[in-house]
Amino acid sequence: AQTVTQSQPEMSVQEAETVTLSCTYDTSESDYYLFWYKQPPSRQMILVIRQEAYKQQNATENRFSVNFQKAAKSFSLKISDSQLGDAAMYFCAYGLAGTALIFGKGTTLSVSS
Amino acid sequence: DAGVTQSPTHLIKTRGQQVTLRCSPKSGHDTVSWYQQALGQGPQFIFQYYEEEERQRGNFPDRFSGHQFPNYSSELNVNALLLGDSALYLCASSFTQDRISTDTQYFGPGTRLTVL
Repeated sequence: AQTVTQSQPEMSVQEAETVTLSCTYDTSESDYYLFWYKQPPSRQMILVIRQEAYKQQNATENRFSVNFQKAAKSFSLKISDSQLGDAAMYFCAYGLAGTALIFGKGTTLSVSS
Repeated sequence: DAGVTQSPTHLIKTRGQQVTLRCSPKSGHDTVSWYQQALGQGPQFIFQYYEEEERQRGNFPDRFSGHQFPNYSSELNVNALLLGDSALYLCASSFTQDRISTDTQYFGPGTRLTVL
C-alpha cells in the first residue's frame, strides 16, 4: 500500500529566509503525481505545487519549488523568501490519475518577523 | 470562476443522529471526492463520485454514504453518529476525461462536524 511520511511535525523560519519541508513516500507504481497543499487556520486546503513522476524536471511556482528524487522516493518543498502569510500546515500528497489522494500527517510551519 | 463550495460551515450533532453535508464542485468539474480530516491529521479519503455513481471508496463503514446529482453537486450522509466522527469534512473536485479523473483535486473550505 502507498504511504506518505512527513517526518517534521513542526518547522519555523524567519521572514525572507528559506525553509525546506521533507516528504517521503512508498509506492510500487512508476507513473504517479505528487502534491504539496497548504492549509492555513482558515482550513481551506490550497494547492501549492504539483509534480508528475514521469517528468525529471522539478516543478516551480514562484517562491515554491520542489526537489523530486524518484529513486529515493523523496519530494521536498522549498519555500524561498518566506512571508508571514506562508504560516500554515503543509501536507504532502500522493495520487494516481483518477484515484484518491493519500496525505501525510502534515508539517506546521511558523514564520517569525 | 466559482471554486468548490461546502455547506454548512459548522454543525453540531449528538450521538446517534444523522447528518447531511453538501458540496458544489468547481465550475467545469464533474467528479467529487470526500475526505475526513481529524484534528491534527491529514485528510483520509472516504469516497469519490462520478456520473452519479460511487466510483471508489476508502476504508469507511457503510454508515457513510453519498450521492451525486445531475448538476455534479454531492452530498455526504453519515448515519448513527459516533463521537469519533467529529472532524473536518472536505470536499474536492476534479474533472474526468475519457473516464479517467484528472489527478489534481481542488478543495472546498470544509464542514466542521462536532458530535456530542
